[in-house]
Amino acid sequence: AQSVTQPDIHITVSEGASLELRCNYSYGATPYLFWYVQSPGQGLQLLLKYFSGDTLVQGIKGFEAEFKRSQSSFNLRKPSVHWSDAAEYFCAVGPIQGAQKLVFGQGTRLTINP
Amino acid sequence: EPEVTQTPSHQVTQMGQEVILRCVPISNHLYFYWYRQILGQKVEFLVSFYNNEISEKSEIFDDQFSVERPDGSNFTLKIRSTKLEDSAMYFCASSTLTGFDGYTFGSGTRLTVV
Repeated sequence: AQSVTQPDIHITVSEGASLELRCNYSYGATPYLFWYVQSPGQGLQLLLKYFSGDTLVQGIKGFEAEFKRSQSSFNLRKPSVHWSDAAEYFCAVGPIQGAQKLVFGQGTRLTINP
Repeated sequence: EPEVTQTPSHQVTQMGQEVILRCVPISNHLYFYWYRQILGQKVEFLVSFYNNEISEKSEIFDDQFSVERPDGSNFTLKIRSTKLEDSAMYFCASSTLTGFDGYTFGSGTRLTVV
């Protein structure tokens, strides 16, 4: 069965520093990959998605992610974080083989130090 | 930008009571979903709905849960007899047929069972 692993439960970075959030997936073929952000008490906002083509995808709020088939990874990056980036970040995979659901990782909570 | 609308934003109910969570998906989307997020945990799939029937459901979605599309715009999740462990944030989402455009999530309903 497909699965998503986000190895880092909590990451703290300083404002202005670069950021990389890790995501690994388990699936036999190339799935659709997503990153969502959830601010405290809020819903899920789509940051970016990958289906095919260019393996480096650009998203909103200055985020990008790179798909690496050999590593089954889809890591999220941002060159310089802002205090407003503090949130929970979820990697997700789907739909797969006619099953339309998304499978989410555990999430990574990002804290920004001033 | 089209939105998925959920009401209410917060509901408190007594254990054993029935609750209905309401959602208005994006009008041209064909798949509708409910997901659940227990506080501090990952987002979990509950059920998907297509062509006026359930297309997939998780183990969480037992006989206490039901979904309905009572008219052309609303999509509801009913919990017949709530338990304490049903306390969670419930997200509605909708997607196009292929999911290519990604899923759009609502802002969620926080259900508190006391």
